[in-house]
Amino acid sequence: EPEVTQTPSHQVTQMGQEVILRCVPISNHLYFYWYRQILGQKVEFLVSFYNNEISEKSEIFDDQFSVERPDGSNFTLKIRSTKLEDSAMYFCASNPEGSSYNEQFFGPGTRLTVL
Amino acid sequence: AQKITQTQPGMFVQEKEAVTLDCTYDTSDPSYGLFWYKQPSSGEMIFLIYQGSYDQQNATEGRYSLNFQKARKSANLVISASQLGDSAMYFCAIFTQGGSEKLVFGKGTKLTVNP
Repeated sequence: EPEVTQTPSHQVTQMGQEVILRCVPISNHLYFYWYRQILGQKVEFLVSFYNNEISEKSEIFDDQFSVERPDGSNFTLKIRSTKLEDSAMYFCASNPEGSSYNEQFFGPGTRLTVL
Repeated sequence: AQKITQTQPGMFVQEKEAVTLDCTYDTSDPSYGLFWYKQPSSGEMIFLIYQGSYDQQNATEGRYSLNFQKARKSANLVISASQLGDSAMYFCAIFTQGGSEKLVFGKGTKLTVNP
């Protein structure tokens, strides 16, 4: 069964450093998402991406964040200058079509720790 | 804006018994989908069950069923014959077709199954 994959599973970085979180969505999917879950809290939407551009972003997704689909298979989330409060689990998700589906497929997540 | 409310921070159930996890939602969009995800201690998000707003019957997936009461805006998850492996966080989420295409999650319920 196809699945969304994410690398790395755990990333530790120093405050102020740049990090890139990588995702490989399911191959025939069209919509891609990043979500964030701070430890012990609910899952929060960051950004959605369709047709090679951002379709929506949340208030959390400020200028420090960017997303890219560089080669048609990978979907990346970059944080330019990490802050302590960026420590969280980051989930990538994809689905085949945005308006009529019955599941948003989640990756296993990347746990980001900012020291 | 869409909102999910899960009023039970924690629930306990004896192995082999049934348990109901509550979820109420708020949306002005007539077309939406409701999801339940399981998050074990390992952190991944596991899709359990989906209910569309126009579905006539309550969704069922194995031991999981969704008690969908549209007039009350509730979408409670029922787990029958609980197993020790059901111990996890459970998140209810809503997706609306008319607005932005993202999942909005509740704060979750931590289920503990006792032997």
